[in-house]
Amino acid sequence: GAGVSQTPSNKVTEKGKYVELRCDPISGHTALYWYRQSLGQGPEFLIYFQGTGAADDSGLPNDRFFAVRPEGSVSTLKIQRTERGDSAVYLCASSSQDRGRETQYFGPGTRLLVL
Amino acid sequence: AQSVTQPDIHITVSEGASLELRCNYSYGATPYLFWYVQSPGQGLQLLLKYFSGDTLVQGIKGFEAEFKRSQSSFNLRKPSVHWSDAAEYFCAVGAYSGNTPLVFGKGTRLSVIA
Repeated sequence: GAGVSQTPSNKVTEKGKYVELRCDPISGHTALYWYRQSLGQGPEFLIYFQGTGAADDSGLPNDRFFAVRPEGSVSTLKIQRTERGDSAVYLCASSSQDRGRETQYFGPGTRLLVL
Repeated sequence: AQSVTQPDIHITVSEGASLELRCNYSYGATPYLFWYVQSPGQGLQLLLKYFSGDTLVQGIKGFEAEFKRSQSSFNLRKPSVHWSDAAEYFCAVGAYSGNTPLVFGKGTRLSVIA
């Protein structure tokens, strides 16, 4: 079946602009995660949704970042007043559970470049 | 605090040679452990996972990993590397129950030479 999809695959913007990154999870997956991967690093957690609500947003770096998942499926990560340091690959994952054990499946990511 | 250490930033092996990628973790509870692979410009693909039971787990593409609780390690192995295995490999740890964010290591880049 279809995996996690993310759009756009690449985004170039200018410092100070607003961007939206979209994630379409695997059908039926209720949990959805956003991670950020800087060059040469492993992914770092940003925010996690269970259904429509943000269950844990402790990884968001500051209040310029926020995310929504209004209908419990597609999620959008929104970044206001972008800074050059926001340049990274933004990864989305959705997860399935088997007897309480969770496995996360990742999308291809959105590569964000802030000039 | 949870953490994952992958001590090797870059490893080069010859095609057909065996491979071992190291992973050590620090986790306050019983961990779930994962290995993901990332090809250039791609997302993360799950190679294998350990939840409980047999400490030697088999994954896709001929990979296996062994969980050693006493050493807090979860090393990835492959008996014979193919050129297509060249990629970045990430070890990750998660909580034993419920939905929790994964904590990733910084990755090991594998190069394969003829």
